[in-house]
Amino acid sequence: QVQLVESGGALVKPGGSLRLSCAASGFTFSDYYMSWIRQAPGKGLEWVSYISGISNTYTNYADSVKGRFTISRDNAKNSLYLQMNSLRSEDTAVYYCARDNCRGGRCFEDFWGQGTLVTVSS
Amino acid sequence: EVVLTQSPGTLSLSPGERASLSCRASQSVSSSHLAWYQQKPGQAPRLLIFDASSRATGIPDRFSGSGSGTDFTLTISRLEPEDFAVYYCQHYGSSSYTFGQGTKLEIK
Repeated sequence: QVQLVESGGALVKPGGSLRLSCAASGFTFSDYYMSWIRQAPGKGLEWVSYISGISNTYTNYADSVKGRFTISRDNAKNSLYLQMNSLRSEDTAVYYCARDNCRGGRCFEDFWGQGTLVTVSS
Repeated sequence: EVVLTQSPGTLSLSPGERASLSCRASQSVSSSHLAWYQQKPGQAPRLLIFDASSRATGIPDRFSGSGSGTDFTLTISRLEPEDFAVYYCQHYGSSSYTFGQGTKLEIK
């Protein structure tokens, strides 16, 4: 069955950096776009970034993280990453890794990991 | 960017009742690229509905989605105790995704 397991969440100071990882199993990882979506404590969902599958050609970012976060993947390791730099207090959230189900160039998230908590605080 | 507004913010109903949750888009959503997710406390969201009205694998048929253009509805025909949760709608656009703020469905 599809499994997504995030790791790397931690307490970090403002201005610091962190790298999140997501280990995927149960499906052909390289066939799928993947996304990161976050949820601040007690708040709703916010899409962060996505990356295309086998070619790694396409990435996109929410305006709130553009220039600070970088999404990447290693298809040989079935792993997704999110490098987060210049972290701010407003980046505090649970970060979910999700598999994208794409139809006609539009994608929704059909499987989600359990999330990893990132806390940005001095 | 499409802005999604969900209503009501909180819906209080009893098991066995019918629930209707609304999601309104700030502009017409082409080809019904609208999904619904359920989230229980401490859990990840779960996909319920995609393309406005298609049920995801394993989702009971008491869940149904409808609508087009700017107005979409998630209907739960007969509430079970496990259905009380927060529900989010999502527009999946050509280059970004947006979520509504959520509707909390609570036991009356």
